[in-house]
Amino acid sequence: NAGVMQNPRHLVRRRGQEARLRCSPMKGHSHVYWYRQLPEEGLKFMVYLQKENIIDESGMPKERFSAEFPKEGPSILRIQQVVRGDSAAYFCASSPAVNTEAFFGQGTRLTVV
Amino acid sequence: GNSVTQMEGPVTLSEEAFLTINCTYTATGYPSLFWYVQYPGEGLQLLLKATKADDKGSNKGFEATYRKETTSFHLEKGSVQVSDSAVYFCALSNPNTGNQFYFGTGTSLTVIP
Repeated sequence: NAGVMQNPRHLVRRRGQEARLRCSPMKGHSHVYWYRQLPEEGLKFMVYLQKENIIDESGMPKERFSAEFPKEGPSILRIQQVVRGDSAAYFCASSPAVNTEAFFGQGTRLTVV
Repeated sequence: GNSVTQMEGPVTLSEEAFLTINCTYTATGYPSLFWYVQYPGEGLQLLLKATKADDKGSNKGFEATYRKETTSFHLEKGSVQVSDSAVYFCALSNPNTGNQFYFGTGTSLTVIP
């Protein structure tokens, strides 16, 4: 059973471009979480999704950011018109049910130049 | 609301020293509590967990006890090794408030030979 797979591991974008980050949860996991980690800081919750539904997006900026978890395929975190402040490590985690541990991917490190 | 307060770092210890990293939480109801570890350039890995009061989680020589009376979940290890050098995150998950994970800011541990 493969772990949580995130790709790409590293992504470089110029200011104004779009960044698309992908996350394939562990097999059988229907809960997906996205977190952002800035250098020397902790993890900041962004969004929590179940299949085809956004459950909690309270941590996600209202503009430029969106997330989806379609019935088929990976979860996608999309950042439009990236700015330098978006540079961070973005981690995806999945869990099989509520109130159980989350398993993390290795992250996508986004650099905006 | 839910929150996790974690001991400030960085922490530097000599090999075989005793480790304590303090963690306290605020939550309604009965959250589950976790410790995650992050090695450089990697994602978070679950270290241990406890799902109800007085439970003790343990793994790889690390232990933490869920203390509801003091709302704490301190991480301890009797004899640290150089390979324990990493960042440690305390976290909670609360099904009463949406099941997202709330993380502390992380404590960086460096163990020197």
